Amino acid sequence: AQKVTQAQTEISVVEKEDVTLDCVYETRDTTYYLFWYKQPPSGELVFLIRRNSFDEQNEISGRYSWNFQKSTSSFNFTITASQVVDSAVYFCALSEAKYGGSQGNLIFGKGTKLSVKP
Amino acid sequence: DSGVTQTPKHLITATGQRVTLRCSPRSGDLSVYWYQQSLDQGLQFLIQYYNGEERAKGNILERFSAQQFPDLHSELNLSSLELGDSALYFCASSSRALIQETQYFGPGTRLLVL
Repeated sequence: AQKVTQAQTEISVVEKEDVTLDCVYETRDTTYYLFWYKQPPSGELVFLIRRNSFDEQNEISGRYSWNFQKSTSSFNFTITASQVVDSAVYFCALSEAKYGGSQGNLIFGKGTKLSVKP
Repeated sequence: DSGVTQTPKHLITATGQRVTLRCSPRSGDLSVYWYQQSLDQGLQFLIQYYNGEERAKGNILERFSAQQFPDLHSELNLSSLELGDSALYFCASSSRALIQETQYFGPGTRLLVL
């Protein structure tokens, strides 16, 4: 069973539209971290945000915002007033506590490809 | 720029060959992770090293091996290569491998097996 599900494979929007990328996760741990990474066409993976399981406050960074809801095991990412430069594949990832609290590997979703057209 | 470097950027080789991918973590980071990104499998964790010792293993094939050297750089060795090994291989690093730390990724090595 997938631990991180990004149900939207591809999304296409027109510039200045708002867009939300969905992420649903599954874990039995009480302590875990969630991440979003961006992979632009050039291929590198760029870190966007980290959120721990005890902090359900929404976070806003410029045009980016994140909504974490433990009740629905979701960690959704919204881009407001999208721009062409936002075109990329976006990955949601989960890190569970292992080995007495040390970090294990990241478990990635399949990614959502966002295309922003001018 | 994440501070993680990987060489080479691109690698083209033939089936049955062996290649070595190299990774230098961010300055001060002790933990190195290797991931494989392929079209069918997505991003998958291969192996983790912490301060020179293997810490965790994921879906890493027996034909693949890795090590982390005293200067903390890491190498991923892929042998008896098959067409299906063609993928983008990422290295990531974090400070002390604690759950709350962020893994920073290198630019990747794109491997094409012909």
